[in-house]
Amino acid sequence: DAKTTQPNSMESNEEEPVHLPCNHSTISGTDYIHWYRQLPSQGPEYVIHGLTSNVNNRMASLAIAEDRKSSTLILHRATLRDAAVYYCILINYGGSQGNLIFGKGTKLSVKP
Amino acid sequence: NAGVMQNPRHLVRRRGQEARLRCSPMKGHSHVYWYRQLPEEGLKFMVYLQKENIIDESGMPKERFSAEFPKEGPSILRIQQVVRGDSAAYFCASSPRESSGNTIYFGEGSWLTVV
Repeated sequence: DAKTTQPNSMESNEEEPVHLPCNHSTISGTDYIHWYRQLPSQGPEYVIHGLTSNVNNRMASLAIAEDRKSSTLILHRATLRDAAVYYCILINYGGSQGNLIFGKGTKLSVKP
Repeated sequence: NAGVMQNPRHLVRRRGQEARLRCSPMKGHSHVYWYRQLPEEGLKFMVYLQKENIIDESGMPKERFSAEFPKEGPSILRIQQVVRGDSAAYFCASSPRESSGNTIYFGEGSWLTVV
């Protein structure tokens, strides 16, 4: 699975939107872009995933660049409970099932 | 719909003892994965199992570690003769037979402390 690059940390104010970037310049045509987050002392939580088109769900939105070399996770109104480490992961459909490569992720801090 | 259930949540073992961590996948999920997270480090894949089969154990340490997912009952990650370096959070995840984009869902983890 291809490598991703994320900033080490970001800060946000409560109730403001947050844009978490991810670069994946070596993405292949069959790589899905997944986002997970991990709150302190908890397991990773699935947030959203996409292939080519932008995606929305109740937790977040995923904006995928036209060339798919980057993507952005958008939290529309950050809350204190969104403070977590966010991981951007590429998963090749048909590749090694379940062998997700977690990098260091982006540690998001949310200020009240 | 219950999520992935892991127990115990916290386990303390003395060096040389055995640790057994259990994982019940989400209802309808037949694939189970184990990950380990050492203190201040990222999650690392250990093993992927289906019922009665180990599919990928490329991340498992060669000695003392074993995993199973029997026909009935939870998946078990077993660590024999534990050492201090085994202290970590162990996460189980599961997915259905066919998962959109290979999405997997994690449990809350089991924290092993070796004293």
